[in-house]
Amino acid sequence: GAVVSQHPSWVICKSGTSVKIECRSLDFQATTMFWYRQFPKQSLMLMATSNEGSKATYEQGVEKDKFLINHASLTLSTLTVTSAHPEDSSFYICSARGGQGAMEQYFGPGTRLTVT
Amino acid sequence: ILNVEQSPQSLHVQEGDSTNFTCSFPSSNFYALHWYRWETAKSPEALFVMTLNGDEKKKGRISATLNTKEGYSYLYIKGSQPEDSATYLCALLSGTSYGKLTFGQGTILTVHP
Repeated sequence: GAVVSQHPSWVICKSGTSVKIECRSLDFQATTMFWYRQFPKQSLMLMATSNEGSKATYEQGVEKDKFLINHASLTLSTLTVTSAHPEDSSFYICSARGGQGAMEQYFGPGTRLTVT
Repeated sequence: ILNVEQSPQSLHVQEGDSTNFTCSFPSSNFYALHWYRWETAKSPEALFVMTLNGDEKKKGRISATLNTKEGYSYLYIKGSQPEDSATYLCALLSGTSYGKLTFGQGTILTVHP
């Protein structure tokens, strides 16, 4: 089946620094990638949708200048949390979707971010 | 804002028991319903994508049904095994195949040997 990797699996950073998370589709071309965030005991919440070569579309309430998303190739999307604060501590997970009409989304294992 | 609800939030069963849980969703603008199985420290694994009212899908001991008119889907596990312990997520795809997924909170299943 389709495999999506995510790196790092966990990261601790200091307040004010930036953190980059990578999401890669290993065995298929992902025309669309999605970034989700999950707070404790809550459901996965979509942050943004990115299509290869285009600007990401952010969900309401998600600051695009804080959560920078780049989808430069069909196998790689990155999420950069800029000037991280403790309230950004969360679980971030990406998913990837293949070609036209494909409904299935394949998920990475997620990244646990802790901002101290 | 779409509201996808799953019940129960958690479930403990004994090995060999059969179990089922529910995903409720708004039936308007329905396109598809996804079920995922998510083990700790792993990627959510796609189980089923269901699109048609009355759909029933099966994968080994796991099956799912769909009622789009009343807005619910059931996931059944027959003869639960400890390795079935995981969080089971449902997600609604609304509008089109290019739409976004709205997730429920999940049902945490623990199967005791």
